[in-house]
Amino acid sequence: EADIYQTPRYLVIGTGKKITLECSQTMGHDKMYWYQQDPGMELHLIHYSYGVNSTEKGDLSSESTVSRIRTEHFPLTLESARPSHTSQYLCASGGQGHQPQHFGDGTRLSIL
Amino acid sequence: KNQVEQSPQSLIILEGKNCTLQCNYTVSPFSNLRWYKQDTGRGPVSLTIMTFSENTKSNGRYTATLDADTKQSSLHITASQLSDSASYICVVSDRGSTLGRLYFGRGTQLTVWP
Repeated sequence: EADIYQTPRYLVIGTGKKITLECSQTMGHDKMYWYQQDPGMELHLIHYSYGVNSTEKGDLSSESTVSRIRTEHFPLTLESARPSHTSQYLCASGGQGHQPQHFGDGTRLSIL
Repeated sequence: KNQVEQSPQSLIILEGKNCTLQCNYTVSPFSNLRWYKQDTGRGPVSLTIMTFSENTKSNGRYTATLDADTKQSSLHITASQLSDSASYICVVSDRGSTLGRLYFGRGTQLTVWP
């Protein structure tokens, strides 16, 4: 049923590495989002986009960056991973007005 | 401060029983309230969305209620199944920005035992 895909699902990597988390959706949604979620905690918005060439930072300060060159693709990049970046990252699209957001299954990132 | 509080934090019930999860919010202005189900290791999936004028909405065995005056919502699960074991997240959207900002609760972790 998933129309929004995230890769990789799991990533364990050493400190200092550059990481790109991929997110793609096939629903033609203009709005896309990245959230960070730690166990037992609420989702925190770290980046969002209204459409191609539009990106904004969310509520939670993040050292990551995003790009939106194509409608369907919204990758998130960490230039130099640190242990504090260990978390689950969820990508979502849609949610405009009274429409639901559609979420990917997330990337669980562990930085050693 | 705009907040969404959910209770209980966790709940264990036996298969076949009913349960009710609570959500209180202070978000203003209000646009809509959403309930999501998040299975372990998966992304949240939408169950219901209610606007100001709606006070109840059902999706199969899930029934959500909304009291916009007291700023409370509940999610009632009827005849629970093992597959209902998940985190249930309450999300409130405001009308204060073009983005329609979402405020997330921390979720209620429901475990259904056979």
